[in-house]
Amino acid sequence: RKEVEQDPGPFNVPEGATVAFNCTYSNSASQSFFWYRQDCRKEPKLLMSVYSSGNEDGRFTAQLNRASQYISLLIRDSKLSDSATYLCVVFAGGSYIPTFGRGTSLIVHP
Amino acid sequence: SQTIHQWPATLVQPVGSPLSLECTVEGTSNPNLYWYRQAAGRGLQLLFYSVGIGQISSEVPQNLSASRPQDRQFILSSKKLLLSDSGFYLCAWTSGSWNEQFFGPGTRLTVL
Repeated sequence: RKEVEQDPGPFNVPEGATVAFNCTYSNSASQSFFWYRQDCRKEPKLLMSVYSSGNEDGRFTAQLNRASQYISLLIRDSKLSDSATYLCVVFAGGSYIPTFGRGTSLIVHP
Repeated sequence: SQTIHQWPATLVQPVGSPLSLECTVEGTSNPNLYWYRQAAGRGLQLLFYSVGIGQISSEVPQNLSASRPQDRQFILSSKKLLLSDSGFYLCAWTSGSWNEQFFGPGTRLTVL
């Protein structure tokens, strides 16, 4: 079983839709969680950290479910510019070594 | 503010040639530094990371090596490139306290 798993998609949604991605992790000692966005042929960019209590940044909401060992990203009112690959990243407690998911592709169409 | 530089942006090299990619970080001190490779259509593969000058940890066996001659400089090298070394090479840094990683613009390497 892979340490961090994501549905590769693509998720194909119309503008204005709400879409959610999940990312499961296998290491119960995981402590730090992040979502990144990667545009085609560009570097990943930090979208948001994921806090235990959940956090929101505009149209984006991230949540952590420790019991089921997954994090989620919810995007409301999708824009064309949200089209990208979304990567989840997990660090075990006290570790400098991240584990990246392979990413979920999102395509927002008019 | 912190910035991270990588060069060159693109590189085409013949099989068997040497490689040197450079990454520098500005605006921070004692960063943790990372080299990743992303093959076409694939996920990020961690190659090396460093928590200090001269301290290099390798994650995967390969014909690549890394060095950290200065606090904010990280170099990826190879003596002889293979076709399988083609990919998108990304450098990243984190502060010691937080695991938020920030990536450089990357170098796209094609080995022919």
